[in-house]
Amino acid sequence: DSGVTQTPKHLITATGQRVTLRCSPRSGDLSVYWYQQSLDQGLQFLIQYYNGEERAKGNILERFSAQQFPDLHSELNLSSLELGDSALYFCASSVRVGNTGELFFGEGSRLTVL
Amino acid sequence: DAKTTQPPSMDCAEGRAANLPCNHSTISGNEYVYWYRQIHSQGPQYIIHGLKNNETNEMASLIITEDRKSSTLILPHATLRDTAVYYCIVFLFGAGNMLTFGGGTRLMVKP
Repeated sequence: DSGVTQTPKHLITATGQRVTLRCSPRSGDLSVYWYQQSLDQGLQFLIQYYNGEERAKGNILERFSAQQFPDLHSELNLSSLELGDSALYFCASSVRVGNTGELFFGEGSRLTVL
Repeated sequence: DAKTTQPPSMDCAEGRAANLPCNHSTISGNEYVYWYRQIHSQGPQYIIHGLKNNETNEMASLIITEDRKSSTLILPHATLRDTAVYYCIVFLFGAGNMLTFGGGTRLMVKP
């Protein structure tokens, strides 16, 4: 158990819909990272937040957005969903503000878009 | 551009040492070598990392060649629960740098 909690574990929705994935980092961790893992793209970094502020952006689509709240939990919002958005979405956390290679990953949210 | 090269798959007998190679011939002097694993579709799990010296922890050992162009992750006594995809990642500390996962090696531990 990494200490990172993600909900929901599974989500099935239709194209064009909007979903929100939630992540609670480990106690004391201030940085939250979101990754997407699809069959054809592997694990792709999406975005990082530190203590409520966006710190780095990766291959995140404009239809996707994220935020980190004062209690440090984070939400990833996916809108106008397409079939290709079906993937595992992982949240990871770390205590450091700077980039670190040691991340603690949650168990993921599996999104299926039909 | 892939900074590491790993064999796509390997087998290992249960109880034997699993030696997973990684080639990172273009690594720069201040880049670290990190290893993660992902069991089935669970979240990736940090294993170990190193810069120049060999490293050991409760999970594994990391052997980095003197020229740092390759490394080997060693699981000393592989168990069935070690069956997973193992990722070798070259990482540079610094603003905007993130862990970049490649294809990894799918290790199958067999009874």
